[in-house]
Amino acid sequence: DGGITQSPKYLFRKEGQNVTLSCEQNLNHDAMYWYRQDPGQGLRLIYYSQIVNDFQKGDIAEGYSVSREKKESFPLTVTSAQKNPTAFYLCASSITTANNEKLFFGSGTQLSVL
Amino acid sequence: SQKIEQNSEALNIQEGKTATLTCNYTNYSPAYLQWYRQDPGRGPVFLLLIRENEKEKRKERLKVTFDTTLKQSLFHITASQPADSATYLCAPSNTGKLIFGQGTTLQVKP
Repeated sequence: DGGITQSPKYLFRKEGQNVTLSCEQNLNHDAMYWYRQDPGQGLRLIYYSQIVNDFQKGDIAEGYSVSREKKESFPLTVTSAQKNPTAFYLCASSITTANNEKLFFGSGTQLSVL
Repeated sequence: SQKIEQNSEALNIQEGKTATLTCNYTNYSPAYLQWYRQDPGRGPVFLLLIRENEKEKRKERLKVTFDTTLKQSLFHITASQPADSATYLCAPSNTGKLIFGQGTTLQVKP
């Protein structure tokens, strides 16, 4: 069953704690993305990666970090520097980052602060 | 700065009618525009892509138009069904990074 798997579905963070959201894809896509979605707002790009061992900041990268050591995996760490982390986080992939490539999304992780 | 506007108010229509959703953009010229469907608590799912040189694109009961002069795309669902109830997101692109609108929620009543 091909696609993108995000885990966990729900995650709680304590003050001062770093948490990592997992994203795995078996679509053999080169490009991967992390978006943040707040109620009533559009998806905002946090980080994206065009290829293994390379990634670029999106529009709201502060307080987040990523790695791309394997083609299939693109984990997102929400650091303690992110003061308002409560949101729905979506991982996506595409064949490349060309303009006409559609994105395939995971089911999302809802992060809340305790 | 680049801005995308979709109807923030939910659209409520009767089953069988045509739903029309609007996407307006300002301060850039996308070469492509994509539409996605998102159900509550799930990730968006790709529906259609239209290029700047295409005026209209159809897929089954879906139709998308792209007017680069008006800087607007319209998304139509004909013969709407309750199962079409969801939030629909538009995403213009000209740099390889999709910028998403906030989405319009459609509710189709039986």
